[in-house]
Amino acid sequence: EDQVTQSPEALRLQEGESSSLNCSYTVSGLRGLFWYRQDPGKGPEFLFTLYSAGEEKEKERLKATLTKKESFLHITAPKPEDSATYLCAVQVAGGTSYGKLTFGQGTILTVHP
Amino acid sequence: NAGVTQTPKFRVLKTGQSMTLLCAQDMNHEYMYWYRQDPGMGLRLIHYSVGEGTTAKGEVPDGYNVSRLKKQNFLLGLESAAPSQTSVYFCASTPAGGRQPQHFGDGTRLSIL
Repeated sequence: EDQVTQSPEALRLQEGESSSLNCSYTVSGLRGLFWYRQDPGKGPEFLFTLYSAGEEKEKERLKATLTKKESFLHITAPKPEDSATYLCAVQVAGGTSYGKLTFGQGTILTVHP
Repeated sequence: NAGVTQTPKFRVLKTGQSMTLLCAQDMNHEYMYWYRQDPGMGLRLIHYSVGEGTTAKGEVPDGYNVSRLKKQNFLLGLESAAPSQTSVYFCASTPAGGRQPQHFGDGTRLSIL
């Protein structure tokens, strides 16, 4: 069974204090790993897709990396506006996957000024 | 460009009542999905559709029905609502092929009393 586990469940940082969020996955074959940001009362907003081990993507203060077993979302010098829930999801390889995603539980990030 | 629009945004039902949630997308996407999000559970796939007139079961389909009569619309129905269906429901869409990210609406918050 495909599984995605995110850690920690919650993370509190001071503004400027860099850290990382983890997404561990167990799948039969990875087609893609997706990171989303979700603000309270809103739907998930797409951040990155990673397709193969060793791949990295960057956007402003965020950098996503991928290995064969996990992905990290590195946050450099975070600001209060980076506070949100960050979701990780995997798409399994296979002809009948139809783009389906399996999500982790999310990490709630709070950045204090 | 509205993207994915969900109606209604909030609803309170009594046990046993029925209702339909509407999802509309204006991006000409082929694939559409319905998820529910519960605290500590992450997003779980209820039903999905890979094209007009087609639907399929996801991870947690019991108690729900869906229809995709038009490409741009995906309806989620609750025939006899139960308190266990209290949740936040999200609709998403993506182009055919499945490697593109899913685009989400802002959700419907449903309470069953």
